[in-house]
Amino acid sequence: KNEVEQSPQNLTAQEGEFITINCSYSVGISALHWLQQHPGGGIVSLFMLSSGKKKHGRLIATINIQEKHSSLHITASHPRDSAVYICAVLDSNYQLIWGAGTKLIIKP
Amino acid sequence: DAGVTQSPTHLIKTRGQQVTLRCSPKSGHDTVSWYQQALGQGPQFIFQYYEEEERQRGNFPDRFSGHQFPNYSSELNVNALLLGDSALYLCASLEGGYTDTQYFGPGTRLTVL
Repeated sequence: KNEVEQSPQNLTAQEGEFITINCSYSVGISALHWLQQHPGGGIVSLFMLSSGKKKHGRLIATINIQEKHSSLHITASHPRDSAVYICAVLDSNYQLIWGAGTKLIIKP
Repeated sequence: DAGVTQSPTHLIKTRGQQVTLRCSPKSGHDTVSWYQQALGQGPQFIFQYYEEEERQRGNFPDRFSGHQFPNYSSELNVNALLLGDSALYLCASLEGGYTDTQYFGPGTRLTVL
Protein backbone atom coordinates (compact mmCIF):
# COMPACT_ATOMS: atom_id res chain seq x y z
CA LYS A 1 0.00 0.00 0.00
CA ASN A 2 1.34 3.41 -0.94
CA GLU A 3 2.03 5.78 1.91
CA VAL A 4 0.22 8.59 0.10
CA GLU A 5 -2.97 7.78 -1.76
CA GLN A 6 -4.80 10.22 -4.00
CA SER A 7 -8.24 9.98 -5.49
CA PRO A 8 -9.48 10.11 -8.08
CA GLN A 9 -6.63 9.27 -10.44
CA ASN A 10 -8.38 11.00 -13.31
CA LEU A 11 -11.12 13.58 -13.26
CA THR A 12 -12.90 15.24 -16.16
CA ALA A 13 -15.40 18.00 -15.45
CA GLN A 14 -17.20 20.85 -17.14
CA GLU A 15 -16.15 24.43 -16.74
CA GLY A 16 -17.68 25.95 -13.63
CA GLU A 17 -17.94 22.75 -11.65
CA PHE A 18 -16.70 22.44 -8.08
CA ILE A 19 -13.73 20.08 -7.96
CA THR A 20 -12.50 18.01 -5.03
CA ILE A 21 -9.31 15.96 -4.97
CA ASN A 22 -8.57 13.81 -1.95
CA CYS A 23 -5.34 12.70 -0.32
CA SER A 24 -4.89 10.14 2.45
CA TYR A 25 -1.59 9.25 4.06
CA SER A 26 -0.41 6.61 6.46
CA VAL A 27 2.83 8.07 7.85
CA GLY A 28 3.50 10.67 10.49
CA ILE A 29 3.98 14.01 8.87
CA SER A 30 4.97 17.52 9.76
CA ALA A 31 3.45 19.09 6.68
CA LEU A 32 1.50 18.32 3.55
CA HIS A 33 1.94 19.96 0.18
CA TRP A 34 -0.41 20.36 -2.73
CA LEU A 35 1.38 20.93 -6.02
CA GLN A 36 0.29 21.53 -9.57
CA GLN A 37 2.15 20.10 -12.55
CA HIS A 38 1.40 21.32 -16.03
CA PRO A 39 2.14 19.45 -19.27
CA GLY A 40 5.88 19.76 -19.90
CA GLY A 41 6.73 19.19 -16.27
CA GLY A 42 6.72 22.53 -14.49
CA ILE A 43 5.69 22.07 -10.87
CA VAL A 44 4.18 24.83 -8.79
CA SER A 45 3.72 24.61 -5.06
CA LEU A 46 0.12 25.57 -4.27
CA PHE A 47 -0.17 25.06 -0.53
CA MET A 48 1.79 23.83 2.43
CA LEU A 49 -0.46 22.75 5.31
CA SER A 50 0.15 21.51 8.79
CA SER A 51 -3.36 22.11 10.12
CA GLY A 52 -6.71 23.63 9.27
CA LYS A 53 -7.50 25.29 6.00
CA LYS A 54 -5.90 27.63 3.48
CA LYS A 55 -7.43 29.56 0.61
CA HIS A 56 -5.82 31.16 -2.39
CA GLY A 57 -8.13 32.56 -5.01
CA ARG A 58 -10.36 29.75 -6.22
CA LEU A 59 -8.27 27.09 -4.50
CA ILE A 60 -8.97 25.79 -1.02
CA ALA A 61 -6.95 23.16 0.83
CA THR A 62 -7.94 21.48 4.07
CA ILE A 63 -6.23 18.96 6.28
CA ASN A 64 -7.43 16.75 9.12
CA ILE A 65 -4.37 15.55 11.00
CA GLN A 66 -6.32 13.08 13.16
CA GLU A 67 -7.86 11.41 10.12
CA LYS A 68 -4.68 11.75 8.04
CA HIS A 69 -6.62 13.23 5.18
CA SER A 70 -6.45 16.35 3.05
CA SER A 71 -8.58 17.75 0.28
CA LEU A 72 -7.95 20.25 -2.47
CA HIS A 73 -10.99 22.09 -3.80
CA ILE A 74 -11.30 24.23 -6.89
CA THR A 75 -14.32 26.49 -7.15
CA ALA A 76 -15.69 27.75 -10.48
CA SER A 77 -13.26 25.53 -12.39
CA HIS A 78 -11.77 26.76 -15.63
CA PRO A 79 -10.00 24.98 -18.51
CA ARG A 80 -6.73 26.59 -17.42
CA ASP A 81 -7.01 24.58 -14.18
CA SER A 82 -6.34 21.44 -16.24
CA ALA A 83 -3.18 19.90 -14.84
CA VAL A 84 -1.94 17.12 -12.62
CA TYR A 85 -2.45 17.85 -8.94
CA ILE A 86 -0.05 16.15 -6.58
CA CYS A 87 -0.27 15.63 -2.85
CA ALA A 88 3.05 15.19 -1.07
CA VAL A 89 3.75 14.75 2.63
CA LEU A 90 6.88 15.69 4.53
CA ASP A 91 8.03 12.86 6.74
CA SER A 92 10.26 12.96 9.80
CA ASN A 93 13.37 12.51 7.63
CA TYR A 94 12.67 15.72 5.72
CA GLN A 95 11.72 13.75 2.61
CA LEU A 96 8.69 14.43 0.51
CA ILE A 97 6.61 11.35 -0.17
CA TRP A 98 4.59 11.91 -3.29
CA GLY A 99 1.16 10.74 -4.25
CA ALA A 100 0.62 9.46 -7.78
CA GLY A 101 -1.22 12.60 -8.79
CA THR A 102 -4.69 13.38 -10.06
CA LYS A 103 -5.03 14.32 -13.71
CA LEU A 104 -7.70 16.98 -14.00
CA ILE A 105 -9.27 18.01 -17.29
CA ILE A 106 -11.75 20.88 -17.35
CA LYS A 107 -13.76 21.06 -20.55
CA PRO A 108 -15.13 24.39 -21.80
CA ASP B 1 14.02 37.88 -8.02
CA ALA B 2 14.76 34.83 -10.12
CA GLY B 3 13.20 31.60 -9.01
CA VAL B 4 14.83 28.23 -9.29
CA THR B 5 16.68 27.80 -12.56
CA GLN B 6 17.96 24.61 -14.14
CA SER B 7 20.20 23.89 -17.07
CA PRO B 8 20.13 22.54 -19.64
CA THR B 9 16.46 22.36 -20.55
CA HIS B 10 16.84 19.26 -22.65
CA LEU B 11 19.66 16.79 -23.04
CA ILE B 12 20.22 13.70 -25.16
CA LYS B 13 22.88 11.18 -24.20
CA THR B 14 23.73 7.61 -25.10
CA ARG B 15 24.05 4.64 -22.81
CA GLY B 16 27.24 4.57 -20.79
CA GLN B 17 27.83 8.29 -20.97
CA GLN B 18 27.95 10.64 -18.03
CA VAL B 19 25.78 13.70 -17.51
CA THR B 20 25.82 16.76 -15.26
CA LEU B 21 22.71 18.76 -14.54
CA ARG B 22 22.76 22.11 -12.82
CA CYS B 23 20.45 23.98 -10.50
CA SER B 24 20.51 27.48 -9.06
CA PRO B 25 18.22 27.91 -6.06
CA LYS B 26 15.88 30.74 -5.36
CA SER B 27 17.60 33.71 -3.79
CA GLY B 28 17.95 33.22 -0.05
CA HIS B 29 17.53 29.44 -0.20
CA ASP B 30 20.37 27.26 1.02
CA THR B 31 18.96 23.79 0.51
CA VAL B 32 18.51 21.94 -2.76
CA SER B 33 16.65 18.71 -3.42
CA TRP B 34 16.79 16.67 -6.61
CA TYR B 35 13.96 14.51 -7.94
CA GLN B 36 13.62 12.13 -10.88
CA GLN B 37 10.27 11.93 -12.61
CA ALA B 38 9.85 9.15 -15.13
CA LEU B 39 7.14 9.55 -17.74
CA GLY B 40 3.71 9.04 -16.24
CA GLN B 41 5.00 8.66 -12.69
CA GLY B 42 5.36 10.85 -9.65
CA PRO B 43 8.71 12.40 -8.76
CA GLN B 44 11.13 10.25 -6.79
CA PHE B 45 13.44 11.84 -4.25
CA ILE B 46 17.12 11.44 -5.17
CA PHE B 47 18.92 13.45 -2.49
CA GLN B 48 19.05 16.75 -0.67
CA TYR B 49 22.04 19.03 -0.16
CA TYR B 50 22.40 21.44 2.75
CA GLU B 51 25.54 23.31 3.76
CA GLU B 52 27.40 21.67 0.89
CA GLU B 53 26.74 18.16 2.18
CA GLU B 54 24.36 15.43 1.21
CA ARG B 55 21.78 15.47 3.95
CA GLN B 56 19.31 12.81 2.88
CA ARG B 57 19.28 10.27 0.09
CA GLY B 58 16.54 8.32 -1.58
CA ASN B 59 16.75 4.86 -3.08
CA PHE B 60 19.10 5.62 -5.96
CA PRO B 61 22.36 3.86 -6.86
CA ASP B 62 25.78 5.38 -6.40
CA ARG B 63 25.81 6.28 -10.09
CA PHE B 64 23.80 9.28 -8.95
CA SER B 65 25.95 11.79 -7.14
CA GLY B 66 25.75 15.45 -6.41
CA HIS B 67 27.48 18.50 -5.19
CA GLN B 68 26.55 21.80 -3.64
CA PHE B 69 28.70 24.87 -4.06
CA PRO B 70 29.31 27.70 -1.56
CA ASN B 71 26.79 29.84 -3.46
CA TYR B 72 24.20 27.06 -2.81
CA SER B 73 23.91 26.07 -6.45
CA SER B 74 23.99 22.36 -7.05
CA GLU B 75 24.90 19.73 -9.61
CA LEU B 76 23.49 16.29 -10.19
CA ASN B 77 25.84 13.83 -11.85
CA VAL B 78 24.80 10.53 -13.33
CA ASN B 79 27.44 8.07 -14.49
CA ALA B 80 27.15 5.05 -16.80
CA LEU B 81 23.77 6.16 -18.10
CA LEU B 82 21.07 3.56 -18.64
CA LEU B 83 18.01 3.79 -20.83
CA GLY B 84 15.94 3.83 -17.64
CA ASP B 85 17.58 7.07 -16.56
CA SER B 86 15.52 8.90 -19.17
CA ALA B 87 13.31 11.21 -17.15
CA LEU B 88 12.56 14.74 -16.10
CA TYR B 89 14.99 15.81 -13.39
CA LEU B 90 13.58 18.39 -11.04
CA CYS B 91 15.43 20.59 -8.63
CA ALA B 92 13.71 22.24 -5.71
CA SER B 93 15.08 24.81 -3.32
CA LEU B 94 14.01 25.71 0.16
CA GLU B 95 15.15 27.86 3.01
CA GLY B 96 16.78 26.93 6.26
CA GLY B 97 17.40 23.24 5.68
CA TYR B 98 13.84 22.32 6.52
CA THR B 99 11.24 21.50 3.94
CA ASP B 100 8.82 24.28 4.57
CA THR B 101 7.80 25.42 1.14
CA GLN B 102 9.74 24.07 -1.79
CA TYR B 103 10.11 25.96 -5.01
CA PHE B 104 10.62 23.85 -8.09
CA GLY B 105 12.66 24.57 -11.16
CA PRO B 106 11.39 23.87 -14.66
CA GLY B 107 13.33 20.62 -14.88
CA THR B 108 15.81 19.10 -17.27
CA ARG B 109 14.47 16.53 -19.71
CA LEU B 110 17.12 13.81 -20.12
CA THR B 111 16.78 11.29 -22.92
CA VAL B 112 19.15 8.33 -22.99
CA LEU B 113 19.37 6.52 -26.33
